[in-house]
Amino acid sequence: DAGVTQSPTHLIKTRGQHVTLRCSPISGHKSVSWYQQVLGQGPQFIFQYYEKEERGRGNFPDRFSARQFPNYSSELNVNALLLGDSALYLCASSYGGAPGEQYFGPGTRLTVT
Amino acid sequence: RKEVEQDPGPFNVPEGATVAFNCTYSNSASQSFFWYRQDCRKEPKLLMSVYSSGNEDGRFTAQLNRASQYISLLIRDSKLSDSATYLCVVISGGSYIPTFGRGTSLIVHP
Repeated sequence: DAGVTQSPTHLIKTRGQHVTLRCSPISGHKSVSWYQQVLGQGPQFIFQYYEKEERGRGNFPDRFSARQFPNYSSELNVNALLLGDSALYLCASSYGGAPGEQYFGPGTRLTVT
Repeated sequence: RKEVEQDPGPFNVPEGATVAFNCTYSNSASQSFFWYRQDCRKEPKLLMSVYSSGNEDGRFTAQLNRASQYISLLIRDSKLSDSATYLCVVISGGSYIPTFGRGTSLIVHP
């Protein structure tokens, strides 16, 4: 079975632009969570979606938004990019609504110049 | 005080050694606990859940101490392949928000 997939792998954007990151969960998993990880730190929770509804939101500005589609895949959108948004963006899937045991995708490395 | 704290290390140990990491948490209402392993420039991978009664998986043992609000990970007979960053995760009851520690770096040398 395929694991969690994310696209694109790498992305370079300019300040002020918008970006969309995509994630497909493990088959049968209904929950997707998004994390931001900067070098030297643990992943920081951004959003969790379960059955297409937002279940949790971390301490991120409104420039960050996400959604989950009927096939449980998900998109993370970030508007008005700042230099500080440069990070590894990780998607994780789990079966149920509580973010217990999660399985991470390889991430999208975003660089904002 | 940070919600979840880990000593960043690095812990530098020889092959065959036993090494233990702790992870402290500040929210006494925390309910779920996990250890993940992250190799350099790779995604985190689930290592084990931490149950109230403690649990063991081969050379790895995880324990929870609710009174002192910390979880621990013990690795016995360290292998070179155990070299990685070990992340603890704490989920507070009701919020469903997982909080990761910054990770503890382990280097196992020959």
